[in-house]
Amino acid sequence: GQQVMQIPQYQHVQEGEDFTTYCNSSTTLSNIQWYKQRPGGHPVFLIQLVKSGEVKKQKRLTFQFGEAKKNSSLHITATQTTDVGTYFCAGPRGATNKLIFGTGTLLAVQP
Amino acid sequence: KAGVTQTPRYLIKTRGQQVTLSCSPISGHRSVSWYQQTPGQGLQFLFEYFSETQRNKGNFPGRFSGRQFSNSRSEMNVSTLELGDSALYLCASSSTSGDTGELFFGEGSRLTVL
Repeated sequence: GQQVMQIPQYQHVQEGEDFTTYCNSSTTLSNIQWYKQRPGGHPVFLIQLVKSGEVKKQKRLTFQFGEAKKNSSLHITATQTTDVGTYFCAGPRGATNKLIFGTGTLLAVQP
Repeated sequence: KAGVTQTPRYLIKTRGQQVTLSCSPISGHRSVSWYQQTPGQGLQFLFEYFSETQRNKGNFPGRFSGRQFSNSRSEMNVSTLELGDSALYLCASSSTSGDTGELFFGEGSRLTVL
């Protein structure tokens, strides 16, 4: 079963509002990746975080890796309709580091 | 550079049949991973192949199998199809194996089992 949980499962915002999704792992992760999947599309890589406490920004998106490397967050400032989609975090698991995806957060943006 | 190509894009099967899905990775990528995506279970890891060897396997029954060829192309097979196998099957390639590389996903093969 899933060992990487995300909250919330679904978020509906008005365009211009901020949005945050949280990713929590039951174990320490060597790194964490974030992906975005548009409706009807496939997951697309956004970013990878490796260091404890790392913060990276991509325009209106801010990604953070927790100090304990067991959680991460994605914050979108002033959402736009183009931000619609499901955001997944993913972390390596097991001896051979297979990439396990979180449960995902579906973001809906109302214009 | 061409992306990850999956065929077929859509297919309909009946219970008990088997299906083979194909994935051509990005040129030069040697790692191919397969995921099953359903509304209820999200993205579930099936298996990963690297240089023709299965390196990782998820928690799926033996009806799900795969292989990788010398040109890195990969196939997955599902035998004795069940209704619950209806899903989007996504293939992803990476230039490395393990946790060091981002995954590049194909458009997926949408399987409907009737």
